[in-house]
This record gives sequence, C-alpha cells and structure tokens, in this order.
Amino acid sequence: QTVVTQEPSLTVSPGGTVTLTCASSTGAVTSGYYPNWFQQKPGQAPRALIYSTSYKHSGTPARFSGSLLGGKAALTLSDVQPEDEAEYYCLLYYGGSYVFGTGTKVTVL
Amino acid sequence: QITLKESGPTLVKPTQTLTLTCTFSGFSLSTRGVGVDWIRQPPGKALEWLALIYWDDNKRYSPSLRSRLTITKDTSKNQVVLTMTNMDPLDTATYFCAYSKMATLLNYWGQGALVTVSS
Repeated sequence: QTVVTQEPSLTVSPGGTVTLTCASSTGAVTSGYYPNWFQQKPGQAPRALIYSTSYKHSGTPARFSGSLLGGKAALTLSDVQPEDEAEYYCLLYYGGSYVFGTGTKVTVL
Repeated sequence: QITLKESGPTLVKPTQTLTLTCTFSGFSLSTRGVGVDWIRQPPGKALEWLALIYWDDNKRYSPSLRSRLTITKDTSKNQVVLTMTNMDPLDTATYFCAYSKMATLLNYWGQGALVTVSS
C-alpha cells in the first residue's frame, strides 16, 4: 500500500518562512505525480491551494508556493500570517488513483 | 457559482451498505474534463481519497477500497452517488464530495457529511 508522508507538525513565527514536504513510499516525487496541496482549518472542508506542483488556484495568496525539492513535493509559506495556522495536506497521483499525505499541522507562534 | 452538498444516513450498522449522494450546481458533469471525487476523513485523522467519476463515465477507485466502492452519476439530476458495502466502525468519517476539472483537482468541496457506523 502506497504511503505519502508529511511532517507531523511545524512551528513558524509570524512573518517567517516554512517549508512542508511530501514524500512517496514508491520513490522520488516528480511532476508526473501532479502534486496538489490543500489547507484545512478546524471544522471546515479543505481548500485547494496548489495544483500540478506549482500552479496556484485563483484566490491562493502569493505567499504560498509549490515546488519539487530533493525528491519530494514541497509547499513553502513565506511571510506567514496568523491565519495560515492550519493542517496542510498534499495529494499525489498514482496512475489513475490518488493518495493524500498524512498531513502537517502548522502552528504560527 | 459551484456548490456541492452531500446527503445520506448519519448512522449505519456494521455490514450494511452506505449510499451517499452528492448534489451539485454551477456545472455540468457532461462537460469535457469535469469530474466529481469522494474523499473521507475519520474524526481527528487525515483525508483519504476514495473515488472519482469523469464526465465521460470513466471511474477511478482507491485500490485499497476498490472492492467495496461503486460510483455512479445522474447527469440529468446533477448528482453523483457513492455506495460502500460491508460498513465497519472504522469507516466512521466525514464524507466529502468535490469538483475537479482537468488538472485543477478538488477545487470546490461540499460541507461534508458525518457517517457513524455503530450497532
């Protein structure tokens, strides 16, 4: 069974920068996995942020950026705002089906 | 404006079959490139992708749940139905449906429907 692993939790100061990663148990993540990133706040449905590695959905703030980094998909939050505190999930494509990552809880302190 | 809403039972017994309906507006599931996905989230746990149906009736399923899932669409009613057989307490979760178009996956989500599996 395919497992997609993310950091369980990260803490960042307001105005700071933090990078979340998304690793696949099958090997290096490439653009062919079409990495997507979602933000979820408590009690809410997830919100789509990034698709196809680095493309922003309309409404995604410019401080969010996606990339590939060292064989993983990455989401970088720059100039972090208090409202960025949330759970973040990646989603990878596996030839017809998709797998979500384990999620990263980002705390802004 | 695209909206989706999940509906179905809030409580099912173990071994029963769950039927959930996603009713949507603001798009047509006969438009090329459009799809509707189902995703679930057990309380306090991570998201899990379940299934997807495309405008052309192609279907995709999670390999781990494929034997228990069926996804269908009724384009005239703007609905997508997910059935899951042999329900277990571990299937207790909030079930979401979401809209996808081409590469822009899961761009719009329903509010979710909590389903509890208990005798």
